[in-house]
Amino acid sequence: DGGITQSPKYLFRKEGQNVTLSCEQNLNHDAMYWYRQDPGQGLRLIYYSQIVNDFQKGDIAEGYSVSREKKESFPLTVTSAQKNPTAFYLCASSNRLAGKSDTQYFGPGTRLTVL
Amino acid sequence: QQQVKQSPQSLIVQKGGISIINCAYENTAFDYFPWYQQFPGKGPALLIAIRPDVSEKKEGRFTISFNKSAKQFSLHIMDSQPGDSATYFCAASSKAAGNKLTFGGGTRVLVKP
Repeated sequence: DGGITQSPKYLFRKEGQNVTLSCEQNLNHDAMYWYRQDPGQGLRLIYYSQIVNDFQKGDIAEGYSVSREKKESFPLTVTSAQKNPTAFYLCASSNRLAGKSDTQYFGPGTRLTVL
Repeated sequence: QQQVKQSPQSLIVQKGGISIINCAYENTAFDYFPWYQQFPGKGPALLIAIRPDVSEKKEGRFTISFNKSAKQFSLHIMDSQPGDSATYFCAASSKAAGNKLTFGGGTRVLVKP
């Protein structure tokens, strides 16, 4: 069963805590992405990685960190520096090899709530 | 800076009617324009996508119309069904920018039976 998995589905965090959101894909995709979605709004890019051991900041990277040690995994850490972390977080992946589609496939999301 | 503007924010249509959602973009380097469908609490799913070398693409009841000179593209949902009730997002990306997607703000569509 191929696809993208995100865990946990729901996450609650106390102010001042760092939390890590998991994203795993078994699609053999090269590129992975993290987006944030606020109620009634579109998706905004946090970080993306086009290859293992390399990643770039997106439009709203402040207060977040990522790692890409394995092709199939791209965890996102929401640090205490993120002022308003309550949101729906979406992970995506795409196959960027030459001649392949640009299509990004999304996981089911993690809803983070700061208490 | 909103590079992709989507309208309307919400839309109510009767079953069997046509839903039309419009998007306008600013960056002429964009070369890939997908539409995503999202149900509450779920991740977006690709619905249909177009590249600027064609003016229209149809897949079943869903059609994208693309106007390169006006920098606009739209999604038409024909014979709308209650199961089409969802939020729809347009997006755009360019190979030059690493295929990063820039999303519109979304349109919440409600199809009344």
